[in-house]
Amino acid sequence: GAVVSQHPSRVICKSGTSVKIECRSLDFQATTMFWYRQFPKQSLMLMATSNEGSKATYEQGVEKDKFLINHASLTLSTLTVTSAHPEDSSFYICSAIDPGGDTYNEQFFGPGTRLTVL
Amino acid sequence: AQSVSQHNHHVILSEAASLELGCNYSYGGTVNLFWYVQYPGQHLQLLLKYFSGDPLVKGIKGFEAEFIKSKFSFNLRKPSVQWSDTAEYFCAVNAGAGGYNKLIFGAGTRLAVHP
Repeated sequence: GAVVSQHPSRVICKSGTSVKIECRSLDFQATTMFWYRQFPKQSLMLMATSNEGSKATYEQGVEKDKFLINHASLTLSTLTVTSAHPEDSSFYICSAIDPGGDTYNEQFFGPGTRLTVL
Repeated sequence: AQSVSQHNHHVILSEAASLELGCNYSYGGTVNLFWYVQYPGQHLQLLLKYFSGDPLVKGIKGFEAEFIKSKFSFNLRKPSVQWSDTAEYFCAVNAGAGGYNKLIFGAGTRLAVHP
């Protein structure tokens, strides 16, 4: 149980275009999901907390207008990188918490999406 | 602000050697502590976690960690490593009592085990 998927796994886009990344909880309903960014050989940095039915909470230094987060349902959160530039190239990872299980406060991670902006 | 320090960035061991990876956090209140592993090309997987109770926590694949509150530490150990343990290991802290608080990750430790 507690499986999180991401789509796509890899995406290459041209500079200036927008890219949408989906994060799904497959076997549970997640009221809260998280979006992280991982640079090569570095740790995960939390970008934002995605709350179902309300606005996302962004970490300091993360541009809200550039990284649009939508958590429209209990199983889906999307991250849209708008007007992507090469410096946005990174590994984006989502996670979710299963409020209904016995895994209180444990985050289940998706496999990540590698974004390359040319 | 809360922070997590992993002192060893790269560790190289031979098979059967013992492993201890350090993790220290800065937060004076109630914490939940985690160790995650990221095998090459794979996503993060939970090795073990501490919420409360016995400070010595057993995880998967023979790993264990000990929470020492007085030292703000949660070091990861394994008595005898295998080649398949080659991966990156992340310590993380979920600070604050109750609620779905955010995880703060350490910088990670890259472990290479040679046959």
